[in-house]
Amino acid sequence: GQQVMQIPQYQHVQEGEDFTTYCNSSTTLSNIQWYKQRPGGHPVFLIQLVKSGEVKKQKRLTFQFGEAKKNSSLHITATQTTDVGTYFCAGDNYGQNFVFGPGTRLSVLP
Amino acid sequence: GAGVSQSPSNKVTEKGKDVELRCDPISGHTALYWYRQRLGQGLEFLIYFQGNSAPDKSGLPSDRFSAERTGESVSTLTIQRTQQEDSAVYLCASSPGRLTEAFFGQGTRLTVV
Repeated sequence: GQQVMQIPQYQHVQEGEDFTTYCNSSTTLSNIQWYKQRPGGHPVFLIQLVKSGEVKKQKRLTFQFGEAKKNSSLHITATQTTDVGTYFCAGDNYGQNFVFGPGTRLSVLP
Repeated sequence: GAGVSQSPSNKVTEKGKDVELRCDPISGHTALYWYRQRLGQGLEFLIYFQGNSAPDKSGLPSDRFSAERTGESVSTLTIQRTQQEDSAVYLCASSPGRLTEAFFGQGTRLTVV
């Protein structure tokens, strides 16, 4: 079945440094979503990408969807302590629902 | 309500007992999902309801797990004869339609002792 992987599993950065997490699917995706889960909280939707090669920005966050629609990335510029949490991608391979990746846990040291 | 509501927020149960978890989705949302999240782990898909279609039960880990949804409203996830490995946070999410933004509830933390 469809598998969605994310790397790295953990990332520790100094405040102000950049951060990138990568999401890879075993199958071509029709859509990909990104969620953020703060410690002790629930996942919160960040964005959805649909088009091949699509790039979307939200303030310091940049999301990309690969040309082959099998991978995606989330890049955070100049991290802040408020960026701490686990970032999940969720991909759909033209199926019924999204399959979540295992997440990348980000720690930001002040 | 304004968001997805789950109850109870915490549940401690003895091994072998049955538990029922409730999810009230956002009004008008046709899609409803249940996920399980073990401590420090990702989201494990359990079941998906979409409108009046047959639910996708492909993620249910065993026949001890079942879920129902009344129309496009409340859903209940039932775990029979609970085991210690069932201990986790059970998250419910709803969305306006297929493959759209999912809104998550706060989850039910289940502890089986």
